[in-house]
Amino acid sequence: AQKITQTQPGMFVQEKEAVTLDCTYDTSDQSYGLFWYKQPSSGEMIFLIYQGSYDEQNATEGRYSLNFQKARKSANLVISASQLGDSAMYFCAMIKREGAQKLVFGQGTRLTINP
Amino acid sequence: DARVTQTPRHKVTEMGQEVTMRCQPILGHNTVFWYRQTMMQGLELLAYFRNRAPLDDSGMPKDRFSAEMPDATLATLKIQPSEPRDSAVYFCASGLGASEQYFGPGTRLTVT
Repeated sequence: AQKITQTQPGMFVQEKEAVTLDCTYDTSDQSYGLFWYKQPSSGEMIFLIYQGSYDEQNATEGRYSLNFQKARKSANLVISASQLGDSAMYFCAMIKREGAQKLVFGQGTRLTINP
Repeated sequence: DARVTQTPRHKVTEMGQEVTMRCQPILGHNTVFWYRQTMMQGLELLAYFRNRAPLDDSGMPKDRFSAEMPDATLATLKIQPSEPRDSAVYFCASGLGASEQYFGPGTRLTVT
């Protein structure tokens, strides 16, 4: 079975600093994908970034990058130059690329950016 | 700007009533998912469709929940009868392939 672990229930960071949100996963599948979603206080789930297990390069999307370490089964999200609008819940999720393509989510990390 | 739409956005109902939530996936997407989010359980999958066929509904209480896709532009999730423990935010998501799942804004359900 797949499992996602996010060990940081909450994080506080000063504006403009970089922040790393931790995510480790457990799976016996060889082909899988890892997602990060942002959930602001409005409640919507916003897709941030995706990394495939066979992708050789770490995924990047603007200020977001995914630090993918396959051997350690970690997929940390790095946000560069944090902004006040980055304050939200962040969820790491995993998907099997073959068969049932359903997301399994971690419990989330609440990020607060201080001015 | 293609988006998943969900209606209603908020629903308050009394225990025992039927609740129907609707989702319009992004045009062209062939997978549709229903998730439920609660403080205690986090985000959990309820049902999953590919090309309108149900592939996995193991996360759904079968005695009261049902999920259907009458056509490619509409997915429904019904609860009958509703109970207070069903209070949650219900998200619909759609995707094409394994590398994307876009979420709708959610339906916040309160059962009193």
